[in-house]
Amino acid sequence: NAGVTQTPKFRVLKTGQSMTLLCAQDMNHEYMYWYRQDPGMGLRLIHYSVGEGTTAKGEVPDGYNVSRLKKQNFLLGLESAAPSQTSVYFCASSTGPNQPQHFGDGTRLSIL
Amino acid sequence: RKEVEQDPGPFNVPEGATVAFNCTYSNSASQSFFWYRQDCRKEPKLLMSVYSSGNEDGRFTAQLNRASQYISLLIRDSKLSDSATYLCVVNTLNDYKLSFGAGTTVTVRA
Repeated sequence: NAGVTQTPKFRVLKTGQSMTLLCAQDMNHEYMYWYRQDPGMGLRLIHYSVGEGTTAKGEVPDGYNVSRLKKQNFLLGLESAAPSQTSVYFCASSTGPNQPQHFGDGTRLSIL
Repeated sequence: RKEVEQDPGPFNVPEGATVAFNCTYSNSASQSFFWYRQDCRKEPKLLMSVYSSGNEDGRFTAQLNRASQYISLLIRDSKLSDSATYLCVVNTLNDYKLSFGAGTTVTVRA
C-alpha cells in the first residue's frame, strides 16, 4: 500500500530557482495538506485543500503556490526559492477536517 | 499564545520505567485530539486518538482534561523502541486543519 507518496525526496536549489513538489495519495482522501518542519518548531501548515479544484492558505503561505487539479495529487510550487525556505516538507491527507492525517515521508529541500 | 504547547523535554528514562507528559491547548472549543510519534528525520505517524473518557492502547494511555485544557500521554514499561518525539495534535474548529505541537522528546536508555 503506497499511502502518501512525495517526490522528490531530496533537492538542492539555488536562490531564485523555481520547483514543484509532488504529493500523490491513493486512499481517495478529500483533504490534503502541505507542511514545513524546521528544527525546534512544530509542523506549520503552508496550504491545504478540501477537495479537487480547491485550495486555501495555511499559516505560512507566502512564497508558495499550490494546485489540486486531480483528487489524488497536490502540488506545491516555489516560485523563487529563498534560503529561508530550506526545510523538510511533508504532505498529508485525511478523510475529513478533524480526522487523523496520513503523512508522506517528506522532501528535504536545501536552498543555497 | 501558541495553540498547542508541549514540554520539549527531553525525558530520559531507563527501560521498563513509566514516563508521562502533557500538552496544553488554547482553544476551548477544540474537539479532536491525537498523539503522533515522529522518529528522527521521518514522517509523523498516528500513535492514538484521544477520547473524552481516556483510552489505552497497549502500554500507552491517553487522557483528556477539558476543564484545564490539556491532554496527557503515559507510557508504561518503556522500550528502547519508544525513543521518539511525541507530537500533540489538536483540531481547530473554524478551519479545516489540525494544529501540531512542537513535540516532546523521549529517550529510553538500556
